[in-house]
Amino acid sequence: AQKITQTQPGMFVQEKEAVTLDCTYDTSDPSYGLFWYKQPSSGEMIFLIYQGSYDQQNATEGRYSLNFQKARKSANLVISASQLGDSAMYFCAMREGTETSYDKVIFGPGTSLSVIP
Amino acid sequence: EAQVTQNPRYLITVTGKKLTVTCSQNMNHEYMSWYRQDPGLGLRQIYYSMNVEVTDKGDVPEGYKVSRKEKRNFPLILESPSPNQTSLYFCASSQRTSGDRDNEQFFGPGTRLTVL
Repeated sequence: AQKITQTQPGMFVQEKEAVTLDCTYDTSDPSYGLFWYKQPSSGEMIFLIYQGSYDQQNATEGRYSLNFQKARKSANLVISASQLGDSAMYFCAMREGTETSYDKVIFGPGTSLSVIP
Repeated sequence: EAQVTQNPRYLITVTGKKLTVTCSQNMNHEYMSWYRQDPGLGLRQIYYSMNVEVTDKGDVPEGYKVSRKEKRNFPLILESPSPNQTSLYFCASSQRTSGDRDNEQFFGPGTRLTVL
């Protein structure tokens, strides 16, 4: 069965330091997409970054980068130069499907990140 | 403004009283989905729809119904709510094609449901 594991329920990081949030996934489909979302205390879901299973390079979006290790089935989120506003819940998610369309979506349990001044 | 709207945002009801949570998107997305969020469990997919009149079960469909009669709307129906359906519900929409970040899901603001 498809599954997303986030082994860090909570993490702390000093402001301006980098932090890595772990995500491992399990799927037998060759075509899938991996996403990271941020959920601040206000509750909205904010898209951060995407990695496709066929992408050769790791995705980057500003201060966010995704360390994609396909053989190990891991898709860790790296946040560089942490800011106080990065304090939030972070969810790793996977979309599975065919080569042309995605259907089912699975989320991990999330990691709560606290940035310390 | 591109958005996904949900109504109501907050709802307190009693066991067995049928309710509907509406979801609407203005981005012409083919794909729409409902999730419930519970502490420690992340978001779990209830139902999803690949297009009008095409729906399928997610991981936790029991006790819920959906319909997709129009592309922009995807209501979630609880025919006979029970206390274990107390949760935070999110609707989301996206393009359906795979291959790039265009299939990023856009989320509604959430509906907090309490069933007494």
